[in-house]
This record gives sequence, C-alpha cells and structure tokens, in this order.
Amino acid sequence: AQSVTQLGSHVSVSEGALVLLRCNYSSSVPPYLFWYVQYPNQGLQLLLKYTTGATLVKGINGFEAEFKKSETSFHLTKPSAHMSDAAEYFCAVRTNTGGFKTIFGAGTRLFVKA
Amino acid sequence: EAGVTQFPSHSVIEKGQTVTLRCDPISGHDNLYWYRRVMGKEIKFLLHFVKESKQDESGMPNNRFLAERTGGTYSTLKVQPAELEDSGVYFCASSQAGQGGGDYGYTFGSGTRLTVV
Repeated sequence: AQSVTQLGSHVSVSEGALVLLRCNYSSSVPPYLFWYVQYPNQGLQLLLKYTTGATLVKGINGFEAEFKKSETSFHLTKPSAHMSDAAEYFCAVRTNTGGFKTIFGAGTRLFVKA
Repeated sequence: EAGVTQFPSHSVIEKGQTVTLRCDPISGHDNLYWYRRVMGKEIKFLLHFVKESKQDESGMPNNRFLAERTGGTYSTLKVQPAELEDSGVYFCASSQAGQGGGDYGYTFGSGTRLTVV
C-alpha cells in the first residue's frame, strides 16, 4: 500500500532563505507524486507533480521537487523564500489500485520570518 | 473556467442533527472526490465518483455518511446523524478523465468546515 511521510509538521525560514520541505513515500510500483499548497482560507492548489520522465519537476511560484527513487523521496525546495510562501504544504502519492485515489501526507506548515 | 465550488463554507450543528454538504465540480470533470481533514491530521480519502458511479467508497467512515452524485454533475455528502468526531474540514476535488484522474492532479474546492457541538 502507498503511504506518504512528511518530516516536520512546522518549518520556519527567514525571508530569502532556502525552503526545504521533506517528503518520503512508500510505493510498490512507480509512483505519481504531487505537492499541494493550501493558503489560509483557501482550498488546496496543485503546486507540481511527477508522473514520468525528468526527475526534477518545476512548479508554480518558483518551487521545484526532485524524485529520487533510491531514497524514496520527493522533497520540495525553493531557493529564496518570500513572505507570500507562508502556507501549509502537502505531499501526496497516487495509488495504483482500485480507484487510483491520492494519499496525502499530514502536511507541513511553512512560516516565513521577515 | 470556474473552479470547484463547495457550500456551505462553514456549518455548526448539534450532535444528532443532519447536515448536507454540496460540491460543484469543474464542468466536464468526470472524477469527483471527497476528502476530510480532522484538525491537524492528514487529509483522508472518503470516496471517488466517476460520473454518477461510486468508483471507490472505501474511506467512508460508517453508514451515517451518504454521498450521491445524481446525473454525474454536483455531489452531496450527507451526515446523519452527526457525531462529535465528524467535525473537520471536508474537501471536494475534481479531475479530468483518466485513470482516477490522478495523472492530472486534482482541483480542490475551498472546503466546508463542519463543527459538531
């Protein structure tokens, strides 16, 4: 069965600093992986996804993630944090059986300090 | 294009009452999903519709929850009778056709925050 683990429920960075949000997954087959972001009082928004092909995936707002099969990881990064990046981020993996539903991690709340 | 619309945005009901949540997916999206997030925990799958058919309802907690999608357009999720542990944020998402639509990612609604007191 697929699962997702996000390391750190809260991450705090200074404005301009590197953002690194960690995600490890478990899947017996090649996974489809996603990062979603939820801004306050809004729904979840797809940030980026990995399906096949290039392992470095670029998303919106300057975020990118790298699929590393050997490490079963899909960490999210952004070179320079902006105040507007403060939000909650969810890593997710799509299942490959049944209804192909998506399994989410518990989320990481990103705080950006001025 | 209009996004996924959910209403109400908030609902406060007493234990034992009934509540119906509604989701309007993006037009043309065959796949519709319901998820729930209890405070501070992960977002958990409830069920998946493909058009009007239930593809997977393995995440429905119990028979107090009833989801429908008549005509394959909007969906409702009814909780009857509501219990305290049903409190949380209920998200609806839709996606294009494909294997569960997962290839495309989901478009989520803003959620309904349900509080049972």
